Amino acid sequence: NAGVTQTPKFRILKIGQSMTLQCTQDMNHNYMYWYRQDPGMGLKLIYYSVGAGITDKGEVPNGYNVSRSTTEDFPLRLELAAPSQTSVYFCASTRRGGSNNEQFFGPGTRLTVL
Amino acid sequence: AQKITQTQPGMFVQEKEAVTLDCTYDTSDPSYGLFWYKQPSSGEMIFLIYQGSYDQQNATEGRYSLNFQKARKSANLVISASQLGDSAMYFCAMREGNDYKLSFGAGTTVTVRA
Repeated sequence: NAGVTQTPKFRILKIGQSMTLQCTQDMNHNYMYWYRQDPGMGLKLIYYSVGAGITDKGEVPNGYNVSRSTTEDFPLRLELAAPSQTSVYFCASTRRGGSNNEQFFGPGTRLTVL
Repeated sequence: AQKITQTQPGMFVQEKEAVTLDCTYDTSDPSYGLFWYKQPSSGEMIFLIYQGSYDQQNATEGRYSLNFQKARKSANLVISASQLGDSAMYFCAMREGNDYKLSFGAGTTVTVRA
C-alpha cells in the first residue's frame, strides 16, 4: 500500500493563479481531510469528506474548494491564490468505525504564493 | 475557545532522560479521542499514541505513554529514555463526533541533547 499520496511536493504560485493539489489514498478509507499548517503552528482543517459525493467545510475553508467523486481521490482547488495561502498542505484519511481511527497523513505539499 | 492547548513551545531534554509534554483539552462531548503525533524536521506526521475517552487504562506504545486525567481534561505525553531521534515537534489532537475531525494544538518542540 502506498497509503496517502500527494502531488506536487512543492509549488510556487503567483498571486491570482489557480491550482489543484492532488490527494489519493489506497486504503479504502471513507473519511478524508485537508489541513494547512502555517510556520511553527498546528494544523487547521480546511475541508473534509465522509464519503464520495459528500464534502463539508472545516475551520478555514475560504479561498478553497474540494470535490470527492471517488473514494480514493480528494483534490483541493485554490482559486485566485493569495500570499495568505502560503502554507504546507496535508491530506489525511481514516476509516469509519473501530476505536482508534488514526488519521494517516500524506507527505504534504509546500505552497508559496508570491 | 481553544480546544487543545499545549503551553510549552519548546523543551530541552538530556538523552536517556524522560520528558513530559503537556496537553489540555476542552470538550462537552462525552465520546472523544486524544492523539499525539510527531513531526520531525522532514515534515511528515507520524502517529504515536491514542487514548479514548472511555478507556480505563492509560495508553502505552513502547517508550510513549499517555497520562490521561479525565477530570482535569489533560492528556500529557511521556517519552521515556529519550533518544536523539526524538527531536521533533509534537502535536496533541482531539477527535470529537462521528466525522472524526481532528483539532490540533500549537505543538511543542523537543530537542534532545547528547
